[in-house]
Amino acid sequence: DARVTQTPRHKVTEMGQEVTMRCQPILGHNTVFWYRQTMMQGLELLAYFRNRAPLDDSGMPKDRFSAEMPDATLATLKIQPSEPRDSAVYFCASLYRGLINYGYTFGSGTRLTVV
Amino acid sequence: KNEVEQSPQNLTAQEGEFITINCSYSVGISALHWLQQHPGGGIVSLFMLSSGKKKHGRLIATINIQEKHSSLHITASHPRDSAVYICAVTPPIIQGAQKLVFGQGTRLTINP
Repeated sequence: DARVTQTPRHKVTEMGQEVTMRCQPILGHNTVFWYRQTMMQGLELLAYFRNRAPLDDSGMPKDRFSAEMPDATLATLKIQPSEPRDSAVYFCASLYRGLINYGYTFGSGTRLTVV
Repeated sequence: KNEVEQSPQNLTAQEGEFITINCSYSVGISALHWLQQHPGGGIVSLFMLSSGKKKHGRLIATINIQEKHSSLHITASHPRDSAVYICAVTPPIIQGAQKLVFGQGTRLTINP
């Protein structure tokens, strides 16, 4: 089965450090999303790309977060500097669009802990 | 008020029971999705609905567009069904790519 691959699965870092999370979407899926999941807020959209172009990053704190898609096989989410409130699970998802249907595939997530 | 509301937030039942999880939404949608997340695990898409009813194994999802309501049913529930079930909607396509707006999730526990 095709899958969305996220690395690392777990990351513990100290406050102030840079964190980079990576996502390899399914080949042929042209829309890629970054979501964040916390106990308090649930799942929230951070940013998404279509055909590698950023479409919406309004959910992302832009002073410290940045999202890029340097090529069709890699999307990155960076936090610099990281803060304890960034501790969450970050999910990448890619979207398949057919002629009459569409569907999402989620990665396994990166569990980030900032101490 | 959240755009997508689920009930109940937590549900505990015995193995074999019929389970219903409800989802109401307040915005226009192109589709509604039911997702499943096992503890510590990733998120799996179960159903995408724009009308009517879909069935997959013991899972049934229904949607009433006029009432802006959807239900997820599990027949003959089993402990392996224990997970968080998340309802999500996508806005009409003219409003952009199919980003998901999520409910808070329903934590289901099935006891043997």
